[in-house]
Amino acid sequence: GDSVTQMEGPVTLSEEAFLTINCTYTATGYPSLFWYVQYPGEGLQLLLKATKADDKGSNKGFEATYRKETTSFHLEKGSVQVSDSAVYFCALSRTTGNQFYFGTGTSLTVIP
Amino acid sequence: SAVISQKPSRDICQRGTSLTIQCQVDSQVTMMFWYRQQPGQSLTLIATANQGSEATYESGFVIDKFPISRPNLTFSTLTVSNMSPEDSSIYLCSVETGRNEKLFFGSGTQLSVL
Repeated sequence: GDSVTQMEGPVTLSEEAFLTINCTYTATGYPSLFWYVQYPGEGLQLLLKATKADDKGSNKGFEATYRKETTSFHLEKGSVQVSDSAVYFCALSRTTGNQFYFGTGTSLTVIP
Repeated sequence: SAVISQKPSRDICQRGTSLTIQCQVDSQVTMMFWYRQQPGQSLTLIATANQGSEATYESGFVIDKFPISRPNLTFSTLTVSNMSPEDSSIYLCSVETGRNEKLFFGSGTQLSVL
């Protein structure tokens, strides 16, 4: 069945470091791919998305490219800030039906 | 976009009791979803709630344990019945604004069962 596998955490980085959180997926057809972020004490919110192969989603300095050949959607940011400390979830949604599949989440802590 | 208010934000309950979680959306939505987020694990879909029909439950979840109401297009409740410590989790309400567009989430209900 459809599933998402993402890099285990926790991840701790110094401010201005480069961030990569790996995400790979298994799905039939052509799913849409998402990154959600959960800041401390808040609900999940969409960070970025991509709906077809080679699309690049971007928001707040974060980027992820939909790679069909490697079934990946890795999240990157060139220079993280303390305010980026949160839990990041990779997710996919099939093109039919309304089921979203989430990864286990990766906790990121950025230290000054 | 959609703004979701979920309450209670947290509760501590005794074994064998039930808790009802409320979810209010600031706009009319067709489908509402209830997820469970267990410690260190991913989000798991419990059920999909459509207005005017019975909720559709995912494998491993049953109506007797997690009854859901959906009386109108902006509101839903999830009840966790006959609770045990294994039900300790975060429960999240979410809505989708368009087909495969994106999910909006409430801030969650942190449930601890003693």
